Amino acid sequence: AQKITQTQPGMFVQEKEAVTLDCTYDTSDQSYGLFWYKQPSSGEMIFLIYQGSYDEQNATEGRYSLNFQKARKSANLVISASQLGDSAMYFCAMRVGALGNQFYFGTGTSLTVIP
Amino acid sequence: AAGVIQSPRHLIKEKRETATLKCYPIPRHDTVYWYQQGPGQDPQFLISFYEKMQSDKGSIPDRFSAQQFSDYHSELNMSSLELGDSALYFCASSLGRGLGPYEQYFGPGTRLTVT
Repeated sequence: AQKITQTQPGMFVQEKEAVTLDCTYDTSDQSYGLFWYKQPSSGEMIFLIYQGSYDEQNATEGRYSLNFQKARKSANLVISASQLGDSAMYFCAMRVGALGNQFYFGTGTSLTVIP
Repeated sequence: AAGVIQSPRHLIKEKRETATLKCYPIPRHDTVYWYQQGPGQDPQFLISFYEKMQSDKGSIPDRFSAQQFSDYHSELNMSSLELGDSALYFCASSLGRGLGPYEQYFGPGTRLTVT
C-alpha cells in the first residue's frame, strides 16, 4: 500500500526561526519521488521541493530543505528563517507507479508564523 | 509564463445533475492529472493522462470519466452528482512522466458545490 503520513495537523513558529514539518511514507516501490507543496488560504498548490528515492544528497531550494532519511522512510521539510508569508498548509506527496503517474498526498500540516 | 487554466472556477449543481470540468495544461506539457480535494482534506489523485492516453487511475468514482483531447486539454465528466462530490478539483500538468522531478504545475482549481 502507498501511504503518506503527516502527524502534525498544526504547527506554530516564531518569525525568523526554523521549523521542521514531518512526513513519513510507505511504499513497496523501489523508485519513487517525494514532493512538498504549499497551499495558502487562496487555495492554489505551490511546488516547493523534490527528492528522488535514489538521490544521495538532501534537496535544497532556497530557504527550503528536505531531510531525507530513506531507511526511516521519512522526508521532513525544513523551512529556515520563517516569514509571515510562510503561513499556509503544507502537503507532503509521493509519486509512485511503473509510469510514475500516481500521486499520494498526506493530510497536511497547517503552519502559522507568529510575528 | 502560461499556467494551467481551469474552467469554470466555480460551479454550482444540484444532486443527480452532471458537470464537466475543463483543464488546459501548460503548452507542450504532455501529462495531465486530476485531483479532488474535499473541505479540510488532502488532495486525492483521481486519474492521469500521458499523450492523450489514460496513464494511471486513482480513486476516481465510476460516475466520473475523463479524457484528454488532441489539443491536450482534458475534461472531467461527473454524472449523478452527490452532495459528497462538493470539493475543489485541481488539474495539474507536467512535461514528461516517470519518477524524475517532473514538477506538476497546478491550476487554480474548480470549486464544485452540489446542493
